[in-house]
Amino acid sequence: QSALTQPPSASGSPGQSVTISCTGTSSDVGYYNSVSWYQQNPGKAPKLMIYEVSKRPSGVSDRFSGSKSGNTASLTVSGLQAEDEADYYCSSYAGSNTWVFGGGTKLTVL
Amino acid sequence: QVQLVQSGAEVKKPGASVKIFCKASGYTFTSYIIHWVRQAPGQRLEWMGWIDAANDNTKSSQSFQGRVTITRDTSASTAYMELSSLTSEDTAVYYCARKIRGPTQPLDCWGQGTLVTVSS
Repeated sequence: QSALTQPPSASGSPGQSVTISCTGTSSDVGYYNSVSWYQQNPGKAPKLMIYEVSKRPSGVSDRFSGSKSGNTASLTVSGLQAEDEADYYCSSYAGSNTWVFGGGTKLTVL
Repeated sequence: QVQLVQSGAEVKKPGASVKIFCKASGYTFTSYIIHWVRQAPGQRLEWMGWIDAANDNTKSSQSFQGRVTITRDTSASTAYMELSSLTSEDTAVYYCARKIRGPTQPLDCWGQGTLVTVSS
């Protein structure tokens, strides 16, 4: 299966909001409410930030939110902070017990 | 606390195989599925496959054309991923992660990663 499409980079100033998109197809993102978002800092394992499109795990800041429209899911980070600077990956169930990740987006806090 | 601890870094020659372990603790091993994900240097996360720790069912990505074998030992709460016919393109950090059953559930806990370097 092909990777989900994410912009390579995104940026914003402290306190601003930034939205990262994740585009799939009607067979993955568009069909299942299974989009997850992961934050990855350099040299570290990914950390779950959003699951089932818009749910936040316990302990994740409410500045992180998720949504979906059609074949595109989005992660919004509000009130940007320096600690939010990281790589972000989306993932979706792709049917037939397979999963797919996005290409990743490097978020820079200016 | 919930933890997945992986085996250490490996250096392999082209054509060889590598087998990585992922030892779970802090939860009931058979209540979850273990997924394997890899990340080549500077590249994206790539889903490799999974094993249901309860019943040994597995699924691997077609991208690996049968080179991936995922197993588990319930008595040791450990999952294993073996990748064969290694090439330089298999140089990557390999992660295990747990997931509760169901297509919408996420990978909620990850191992620390295992670096595999393939070099002659």
